[in-house]
Amino acid sequence: NAGVTQTPKFQVLKTGQSMTLQCAQDMNHEYMSWYRQDPGMGLRLIHYSVGAGITDQGEVPNGYNVSRSTTEDFPLRLLSAAPSQTSVYFCASSYSKGQQNEKLFFGSGTQLSVL
Amino acid sequence: AQSVTQLDSHVSVSEGTPVLLRCNYSSSYSPSLFWYVQHPNKGLQLLLKYTSAATLVKGINGFEAEFKKSETSFHLTKPSAHMSDAAEYFCVVISMDSSYKLIFGSGTRLLVRP
Repeated sequence: NAGVTQTPKFQVLKTGQSMTLQCAQDMNHEYMSWYRQDPGMGLRLIHYSVGAGITDQGEVPNGYNVSRSTTEDFPLRLLSAAPSQTSVYFCASSYSKGQQNEKLFFGSGTQLSVL
Repeated sequence: AQSVTQLDSHVSVSEGTPVLLRCNYSSSYSPSLFWYVQHPNKGLQLLLKYTSAATLVKGINGFEAEFKKSETSFHLTKPSAHMSDAAEYFCVVISMDSSYKLIFGSGTRLLVRP
């Protein structure tokens, strides 16, 4: 049982480049989400999904796309990277939304730098 | 709308002394509140949660938090700090709209001096 696996751990991009951050979980969790972490701002929700085929926007969705074709995978796409997207990104999952949602299982993070 | 405010960005204590990390919340409803901990270069881990069953909540590693409705506070405490407690701590409230999203505070970095 690997939990939540994020790849890559580190990435450097040039402005305008595109890339996909991968997230996979093997716990059969319905709920998956992406957060970005910036100094002094805590974690902010980018996008989330309550099940395969269903996604929704969080607090800071601009510049990011997601899809959820399977229960296991929830990739985050940057179509045209900008320096403002330099951050640490965390993927998280839980069994379901609602009162069980508080026990999120987090991946180890991706540190992204956009030059 | 729900929100949380962590009153200190950094807290520094000596090993063996008490820890107090402060959190105030804002909520129109009876909130569900949590503390998460993030050790350096790691993901976040649930420390404890309050969901109205008891006002004093015990978590892992000797931490506990007390829900005080009159003060709208949910401060995290530990009687005696250990070097391994050095980490960043986040106070979190769950959104009561249909999304049940977690809303994070800005974090408090705990430094433990030998």
